[in-house]
Amino acid sequence: QVQLVESGGGVVQPGRSLRLSCAASGFTFSSYGMHWVRQAPGKGLEWVAVIWYDGSNKYYADSVKGRFTISRDNSKNTLYLQMNSLRAEDTAVYYCARDFRIAARVGMAYWGQGTLVTVSS
Amino acid sequence: DIQMTQSPSSLSASVGDRVTITCQASQDISNYLNWYQQKPGKAPKLLIYDASNLETGVPSRFSGSGSGTDFTFTISSLQPEDIATYYCQQYDNLLTFGPGTKVDIK
Repeated sequence: QVQLVESGGGVVQPGRSLRLSCAASGFTFSSYGMHWVRQAPGKGLEWVAVIWYDGSNKYYADSVKGRFTISRDNSKNTLYLQMNSLRAEDTAVYYCARDFRIAARVGMAYWGQGTLVTVSS
Repeated sequence: DIQMTQSPSSLSASVGDRVTITCQASQDISNYLNWYQQKPGKAPKLLIYDASNLETGVPSRFSGSGSGTDFTFTISSLQPEDIATYYCQQYDNLLTFGPGTKVDIK
């Protein structure tokens, strides 16, 4: 069965960096676009970034563009999110999610359990 | 950027009631719209894709309709396990979620 397991969350000071990882299993990782979606405490869902199945294209929400970088290693079935220049408003649970359509970026069929990132001094 | 709005922001209904949520896009998105259910403390779950297609395994009491800018999500007979927040999400231009609709039992 499809499994997505995020790691790397924690408490970090404003302006610092953090890298999240998402280990995927149970499907052909290299065939699907992958997303990061976040949810601030008590708030709604915010799409953060998507990477094409082969890593050839990456797109970001305006709120993180220029600070966050999405990447993937298809040989390791792992998705990453490098977060730089972190701000208090980046505090959220970060979810890794697999697209529901092969070689597309349309929506999220499978989600990880999420990892909490807290940006605080 | 495409903005998504949902109404109502919250609702209370009785078990067995028909529940309807609307989602509006700031521009024409054809049928490029999905609906998700999120229960407290859990990851979201895809219910409806491409505006009206039921995801595999999702009960048939859930349905979606619409195209262009106006969309509707319906629970035909509300069940206690349907207590959750529901989000629409467009994918015509990148991806954007609506603000969510919280559904409670009266």
